[in-house]
Parts: sequence; C-alpha cells; structure tokens
Amino acid sequence: DAGVIQSPRHEVTEMGQEVTLRCKPISGHNSLFWYRQTMMRGLELLIYFNNNVPIDDSGMPEDRFSAKMPNASFSTLKIQPSEPRDSAVYFCASALGGRTDTQYFGPGTRLTVL
Amino acid sequence: QQQVKQSPQSLIVQKGGISIINCAYENTAFDYFPWYQQFPGKGPALLIAIRPDVSEKKEGRFTISFNKSAKQFSLHIMDSQPGDSATYFCAASWDNYGQNFVFGPGTRLSVLP
Repeated sequence: DAGVIQSPRHEVTEMGQEVTLRCKPISGHNSLFWYRQTMMRGLELLIYFNNNVPIDDSGMPEDRFSAKMPNASFSTLKIQPSEPRDSAVYFCASALGGRTDTQYFGPGTRLTVL
Repeated sequence: QQQVKQSPQSLIVQKGGISIINCAYENTAFDYFPWYQQFPGKGPALLIAIRPDVSEKKEGRFTISFNKSAKQFSLHIMDSQPGDSATYFCAASWDNYGQNFVFGPGTRLSVLP
C-alpha cells in the first residue's frame, strides 16, 4: 500500500489567494483526519470524517477553512482567502473506525502564505 | 484539562546513551497513550503505545513507563542511535478514538555519533 498520499507537498501562495490541499487515504480506511502543525501550537486536529461524513469540525479555525470528502478515496482542505498566519504543515491521516492505533499520517503539505 | 504536557523541549544524547522523554496529563478519561516519531519532512508515525492497565511496555529499544496515580508516562530509548534523531510526540486519547486525540508539543532528540 502506498500509504496516505497528500498533494501538493509544498505550496507557496500570496495572501488572499485560495489554497486547496488534497488527500488520498489508505484504501479500506473509513476515517480521515486533517491536522495542522505549527511551532507555536504543535499538532492540532482540524476536522474528522467517518465514512465520508464530517463528524467534528470544531478544530477548524475560521470560516475561511472548509473540508470535503466526496468519496472514500479523496478529501480536500480549502482555505479561502488565505492569510500569512495560515502558514503551517497540514497533515492528513486515515484510520479504521477512527481508532488511533490504526492511524497513519501522510507526509504533509507545507503551506507558506506570503 | 485536555492538554498533554511534554518535557524536555529538546534533548541531546550521546550514541549508546539513554534518552528519556516525559509527559503528563490531567484528564483521567484518557485511556490510550501512544508515542509518535517524526522525521523531518515526514508525518508522525506510531512508535509504541500503552494502556493504563499496565505499568510498562517494551518494544525493542523503546520502553513506555506509565504511572497512573501520578498521571505521567515516559518514553525511554535505550542504546540511542543517531538514526533515532527525530521529534517525538506523546499523545493521549480516550476510547482509542482519533477524534479525542491530544498531542504533546514534541521533543526534538539529537543523538550524537
């Protein structure tokens, strides 16, 4: 298995632009998590999907952030408009039934907003 | 109460030495305590985990010690190697459920050759 796949690996954009991050979970995993990692705040859970349905988006920082999972093999995290304080590494992780002992992280997308 | 505190922030150890990273929590509902290892440019990877019904778990050179009464747990890396140089995160969740997952701030370990 290729593991969790994220794209792009690096994204540099200017303030105000729309940014879309993509994730392909491990085949057979039915839970998907989006995390944000910064030096100041560490790893934060943004949103959690189970069976393609958003279960908890309480970690999404603002309305500028949105996430979708149109099918079991694809999810997007969108930031519109982007701001410099959104600069971080965004990780996608997938798991079986939400279980943390089955959770695997993708390689992350490093986002820089100028 | 949702926080997991972790120390030290960074750690330098000589090759062959023992690396010790400590974590503490407040929420007694936590019942699953994993440690993650993260190399630069990579996502965190599950290293070892423990449940509160045991006081110690060992996998190879990695050992978790758990003190339920003190609400503390620690990672010990025996015979530390330069390849162990990475950032280590402790975490906690209840019901082994990713939605309830809380990470510590991380410890950057450097093992000198």
